[in-house]
Amino acid sequence: EIVLTQSPTTTAASPGEKVTITCLASSSVSNMYWYQQKSGASPKLLIYSTSSLASGVPDRFSGSGSGTSYSLTINTMEAEDAATYYCQQWSSNPFTFGSGTKLEIK
Amino acid sequence: EVQLVESGGGLVQPGRSMKLSCAASGFTFNNYDMAWVCQAPKKGLEWVATISYDGSSTYYRDSVKGRFTISRDNAKSTLYLQMDSLRSEDTATYYCARHFWGFDYWGQGVMVTVSS
Repeated sequence: EIVLTQSPTTTAASPGEKVTITCLASSSVSNMYWYQQKSGASPKLLIYSTSSLASGVPDRFSGSGSGTSYSLTINTMEAEDAATYYCQQWSSNPFTFGSGTKLEIK
Repeated sequence: EVQLVESGGGLVQPGRSMKLSCAASGFTFNNYDMAWVCQAPKKGLEWVATISYDGSSTYYRDSVKGRFTISRDNAKSTLYLQMDSLRSEDTATYYCARHFWGFDYWGQGVMVTVSS
């Protein structure tokens, strides 16, 4: 099973600040997917195939990486971005998620 | 508009069974693989199972193999999860999701509580 390790576990950012969340895979994966989950809501796909923006996602979000190291960047933090973010791989069964990064607004 | 609406959750005793349903609308259901993803209380996301667009292939995480069965009725645009021999560790919110370039659409989730 491919284990995805996210860092940081929790973080806080001020409006306008740049935020980067990393996801390290225990083995190489071909792509990474990123989800946003706000409190009490269902997860929402943000990034697919490492760097493609899902429909309706603001372009302040971006993804990058390859092999075992991937990242999600929020270029300018907004209050509505406060949420928990998960990375996920489907290169190998089982399709695992990272343990999540909780992002709060300062 | 894509909609996924789960039903069938609730309280169930350990060792018993429960069947979840997910009614899909707003897209051509039989063109897409579908999945169940769960989330234990205050915990992260965990993929449970995926079924191919035509139902010919199914995939499960090890902890549910032999106990859970994913299936679909394309005529009714409905996804199912039959859960047998339930354990306390199966307690979670179960989400139905369309499995296409990631899990691109999710339902609102249904809570399953396994407890005596």
